[in-house]
Amino acid sequence: EVQLVESGGGLVQPGGSLRLSCAASGLTVSSNYMSWVRQAPGKGLEWVSVIYSGGSTYYADSVKGRFTISRDSSKNTLYLQMNSLRAEDTAVYYCARVLIAVAGIHFDYWGQGTLVTVSS
Amino acid sequence: QSVLTQPPSVSGAPGQRVTISCTGNSSNIGAGYDVHWYQQLPGTAPKLLIYGNSNRPSGVPDRFSGSKSGTSASLAITGLQAEDEADYYCQSYDSSLSGSKGVFGGGTKLTVL
Repeated sequence: EVQLVESGGGLVQPGGSLRLSCAASGLTVSSNYMSWVRQAPGKGLEWVSVIYSGGSTYYADSVKGRFTISRDSSKNTLYLQMNSLRAEDTAVYYCARVLIAVAGIHFDYWGQGTLVTVSS
Repeated sequence: QSVLTQPPSVSGAPGQRVTISCTGNSSNIGAGYDVHWYQQLPGTAPKLLIYGNSNRPSGVPDRFSGSKSGTSASLAITGLQAEDEADYYCQSYDSSLSGSKGVFGGGTKLTVL
């Protein structure tokens, strides 16, 4: 059974930093495409970042230059380093496994999410 | 403003059929990219409901079905049940975007009357 468990969320001041973790079981993070998706309070889903199995990374324009996605194979864990946080980054952050096909991508496994609140 | 457009809300009585639309453009759905649907029950994480336009993952009831035509897609729910009350999101891929190319609809809240 696949399980993704996020942690690391919390309250942080504007301009601050936070690192989110997503511990995986039942799948190998480094062999899969993995993503972070966020959901602001009362809002819809927004794709934040993806890391390919080969190591390539991509980001939404809204977080590019501030967020960094990475992984640790020895811990089978996905990370999201978030710097220069803004109020608009306040959201529940989900990690998810990405499945790639010729006609696009989708997310088949999701974690339970971790809440990040950016406020003074 | 989401790249994919969904109605904010739909409703139906138990046992009825409802549909949720998802409209894109020539850079995403119209370009031939698949549409996928997610169900988000209150206070929980999204769950994959339909993938590849019309395929159901194991465990998803056949009351849920998906279709795609041109620049739009639809999710249909038949035999509506109280436990279907949730938010539903469509998702596709957009070739015109830089960086992350996954796009979601704004979500549709289904109310079971």
